Amino acid sequence: SSELTQDPAVSVALGQTVRITCQGDSLRRYYASWYQQKPGQAPVVVIYGKNNRPSGIPDRFSGSSSGNTASLTITGAQAEDEADYYCNSRDNSADHVVFGGGTKLTVL
Amino acid sequence: QVQLQESGPGLVKPSQTLSLTCTVSGGSISSGTYYWSWIRQHPGKGLEWIGYMSYSGNTYYNPSLKSRVTISVDTSQNQFSLKLTSVTAADTAMYYCAREVTTGYNWFDSWGQGTLVTVSS
Repeated sequence: SSELTQDPAVSVALGQTVRITCQGDSLRRYYASWYQQKPGQAPVVVIYGKNNRPSGIPDRFSGSSSGNTASLTITGAQAEDEADYYCNSRDNSADHVVFGGGTKLTVL
Repeated sequence: QVQLQESGPGLVKPSQTLSLTCTVSGGSISSGTYYWSWIRQHPGKGLEWIGYMSYSGNTYYNPSLKSRVTISVDTSQNQFSLKLTSVTAADTAMYYCAREVTTGYNWFDSWGQGTLVTVSS
């Protein structure tokens, strides 16, 4: 099994850039995907793979990875980006799924 | 556009079995490129993967829940189901079904809206 570690909370001033990170051994082997969850809603994927955005996700969202750390960057954060963000990947066995504990993003 | 919808009792008594169904519309559950997952979220907490069934019919479960979980698929109804036995209050959570893309990268592209299950007598 494998764990993914995220900072519990991050804040960013409106219009500024913020990076949310996710650490775990399995990230050396697998890319993370990132999910945005707003209160009362199901998660929505914002980034998957090396740096892919599904249709409808603004291009201010981007992803990167180095070693055991994956990052989600929001360039020019908007008020509507305030949400919980979760990273996800396979564990080292490849058979199991793991989620990070989530990061609560506050846009000031 | 595929859509997933969870259904099942919102209240389950302790020690009983939680049973949920996810109905898939707009796409075939028999497609050979997706895995079908259950994920839960305790109130105010993060996402916890429960398990999935692969397109080949293999099942994989979270080790912490493995002894109590069964995921099955009914291709004739385009549905997949979750059974969690011997529930306790700790199983009270929002339960989501989700589709995992497995071509190239693994990621969850479609989620149900979730169904809240409360375990209480």
